[in-house]
Amino acid sequence: DAKTTQPPSMDCAEGRAANLPCNHSTISGNEYVYWYRQIHSQGPQYIIHGLKNNETNEMASLIITEDRKSSTLILPHATLRDTAVYYCIVFRSNDYKLSFGAGTTVTVRA
Amino acid sequence: DSGVTQTPKHLITATGQRVTLRCSPRSGDLSVYWYQQSLDQGLQFLIQYYNGEERAKGNILERFSAQQFPDLHSELNLSSLELGDSALYFCASSARVAGGTDTQYFGPGTRLTVL
Repeated sequence: DAKTTQPPSMDCAEGRAANLPCNHSTISGNEYVYWYRQIHSQGPQYIIHGLKNNETNEMASLIITEDRKSSTLILPHATLRDTAVYYCIVFRSNDYKLSFGAGTTVTVRA
Repeated sequence: DSGVTQTPKHLITATGQRVTLRCSPRSGDLSVYWYQQSLDQGLQFLIQYYNGEERAKGNILERFSAQQFPDLHSELNLSSLELGDSALYFCASSARVAGGTDTQYFGPGTRLTVL
């Protein structure tokens, strides 16, 4: 499985964009990049995923570099409710499990 | 709301006891996954069922077992409980066995406390 590297923590000002980096230098061609977040002890919440192209949904945008070795999750206008642990996960197309690392603890400050 | 439901929300029991955790997947999802989250181990995959059959196993103890019923709900049975089994237990569901953009959606979890 490709491993991911994320910064352990980051702060963000409310109303500003939050850019969360993730390195996955050993990613293979059939592996997707998934992002989940976990607010306090709630169940992990799916945010977005992508293979090669940049993706956007109502929650966030995902920017994947051309070589696919890294990606950035963008929360366009962070709110206090976006304070959570964010997990970047590489998921093979025939995988069955999500391998969660330590993630990035994002704190949005007023 | 992911559409995945889990009961109970909280469970407090004693060492040596047996408990059952229940999960109802999202409507139409055939796969159910169980994960354990403890303070020192993070989120760990336990087991997957697809349409009633076990499809994958992770680091699940022999004291733990699971099943998926014809109505697709799943139960995780934990027996001979130890203090170290105290954790959050999450269920997730997805539409397929595996593959492609098969996104897993998580339930709110069951917090198990073993005293």
